[in-house]
Amino acid sequence: NAGVTQTPKFRVLKTGQSMTLLCAQDMNHEYMYWYRQDPGMGLRLIHYSVGEGTTAKGEVPDGYNVSRLKKQNFLLGLESAAPSQTSVYFCASSNRDGYGYTFGSGTRLTVV
Amino acid sequence: KQEVTQIPAALSVPEGENLVLNCSFTDSAIYNLQWFRQDPGKGLTSLLLIQSSQREQTSGRLNASLDKSSGRSTLYIAASQPGDSATYLCAVLNQAGTALIFGKGTTLSVSS
Repeated sequence: NAGVTQTPKFRVLKTGQSMTLLCAQDMNHEYMYWYRQDPGMGLRLIHYSVGEGTTAKGEVPDGYNVSRLKKQNFLLGLESAAPSQTSVYFCASSNRDGYGYTFGSGTRLTVV
Repeated sequence: KQEVTQIPAALSVPEGENLVLNCSFTDSAIYNLQWFRQDPGKGLTSLLLIQSSQREQTSGRLNASLDKSSGRSTLYIAASQPGDSATYLCAVLNQAGTALIFGKGTTLSVSS
């Protein structure tokens, strides 16, 4: 099915470990995003990309890095995981005109 | 800084009722406003998108309105059904088209 695919779906990390979350979309969307969703805080934008090779900071970028080497992929990295990064992470993509927002099913990350 | 507020935070209604969910935003300089649905443990599904120049959009039993000057939007659900039970999220897209800012959502429960 066309859409946004996130891997992995679940992960438990120890404090200080690193990991990369992968997002892939097959809709030829220009824009891609990473959000985190926390109880009582709603969805908050971490980083986004408006095209291959570009990235920009969102509302809560600290502790995360991203890369968009290919148009269809957007990677989110945690270099040294902290308990405060325990959250559900959603990737999304859209057309340049703001239409077609499509979200992945999420990655539930726990940092202990 | 754009802030999006949704009222009420939770709503319980019997099947068949018509209901209204409210969304307000602080900065009227938006590109568009979108309503999403999120089922527990799932990603977000786009319901309706209203461009900043439009007043309303309809899809089946759903109708969304936008009053940009007052910073308000409403989502009207007609003849509610148990399958409508979910969290409904309102989001505004900034004028650059690069960031969706979300409200914290209204969790709807429709009993049969």
